[in-house]
Amino acid sequence: EVQLVESGGGLVQPGGSLRLSCAASGFIFSDHYMDWVRQAPGKGLEWVGRSGNKANSYTTDYAASVKGRFTISRDNSKNSLYLQMNSLKIEDTAVYYCATRETLGRPFPNWGQGTMVTVSS
Amino acid sequence: EIVLTQSPGTLSLSPGERATLSCRASQSVSSTYLAWYQQKPGQAPSLLIYASSTRATGIPDRFTGSGSGTDFTLTISRLEPEDFAVYYCQQYDSSPQTFGQGTKVEIK
Repeated sequence: EVQLVESGGGLVQPGGSLRLSCAASGFIFSDHYMDWVRQAPGKGLEWVGRSGNKANSYTTDYAASVKGRFTISRDNSKNSLYLQMNSLKIEDTAVYYCATRETLGRPFPNWGQGTMVTVSS
Repeated sequence: EIVLTQSPGTLSLSPGERATLSCRASQSVSSTYLAWYQQKPGQAPSLLIYASSTRATGIPDRFTGSGSGTDFTLTISRLEPEDFAVYYCQQYDSSPQTFGQGTKVEIK
């Protein structure tokens, strides 16, 4: 059974940094694309970015709203995905979900439960 | 970026009624790359339909996806109590993948 468990959320001041983690199990981690999707309070879903799989050399891609501030990385030995968030803005306040798919051109059949990030002074 | 516009914003229906949700894209989307998700309060989204009309594992046949080009539809033939939720469409045809703003199906 695929399991994704996010952690690392919390309260941070504008301009601050936070690192989120996603622990994965139940599938071959290195073979899967891993994405981050966020949802601001009471709002819809916004794709944040993704890490490709081994065949793709783990290439990353980001939404324009976070490019240059957020960095996605993965540790395949720990089956873990990370989201380093720098220069945080109030509008980054959201629940952050990690999700997995086999490759590009596929939807997200598996999601974590999410971790809340609040950016506020 | 492909913008997905869902309508209506809220659908007020009674259990047993039929629900028809619309998702319109700002440019053509291959039907292979259009999905629908259901989200209940406090939960992560859950995949319902992918490739426009293929039900995900375990999804009952009262959920039907259809459409092509720029117009896609999710139909719930007879609403069950557990179907009252928010529904999102997603295109994963081009980067960045995008989601619609959601349609809330609420109990009338």
